[in-house]
Amino acid sequence: DGGITQSPKYLFRKEGQNVTLSCEQNLNHDAMYWYRQDPGQGLRLIYYSQIVNDFQKGDIAEGYSVSREKKESFPLTVTSAQKNPTAFYLCASSIDGTDNQPQHFGDGTRLSIL
Amino acid sequence: AQSVSQHNHHVILSEAASLELGCNYSYGGTVNLFWYVQYPGQHLQLLLKYFSGDPLVKGIKGFEAEFIKSKFSFNLRKPSVQWSDTAEYFCAVNGLNTGFQKLVFGTGTRLLVSP
Repeated sequence: DGGITQSPKYLFRKEGQNVTLSCEQNLNHDAMYWYRQDPGQGLRLIYYSQIVNDFQKGDIAEGYSVSREKKESFPLTVTSAQKNPTAFYLCASSIDGTDNQPQHFGDGTRLSIL
Repeated sequence: AQSVSQHNHHVILSEAASLELGCNYSYGGTVNLFWYVQYPGQHLQLLLKYFSGDPLVKGIKGFEAEFIKSKFSFNLRKPSVQWSDTAEYFCAVNGLNTGFQKLVFGTGTRLLVSP
């Protein structure tokens, strides 16, 4: 079955460490997204990529970095510069990122600071 | 900047009760509107969407939503809820100004349906 795979499901990080969250899709979608979900705040856009080798900052990109070297992969790195990284992270994709295409979501990664 | 408000954070209903979840957005231009649902233990999935045309749109599992442009609203409704509708519901808006979809989500509404 086609879909989006996020790994790991749970991730623990010590303060000051960088950590990378994986997102892989086999839907042959061009566009991919990273969101952060906090209690009572809904989903907020971190980064998005419309096509391979191109990505743009979303609304809360500070302290995060991404790469898009392959169409099916869009890893997110949470750097030590992110002051409040504990959250639930969701990856999504859509066919080409145009306005009328729905986004498909992964199961998420929950990141906690030790 | 765009924003989406969902005023009901938690809703508790008995089975067969009618449901209406409020969603208001702020954006001056043309929009696409979405409702996503997250059932317990599952990933976020599309419930229904509005792009153009008939402002009353129907989605999966008997849900519908009405776009009222003058009120900047896109409320979700279901005439008779079931226990299996227990989930978190998110309203989202995409302002049509760049050609690339960037959704702005509301804070979500947790619905609990008691059997």
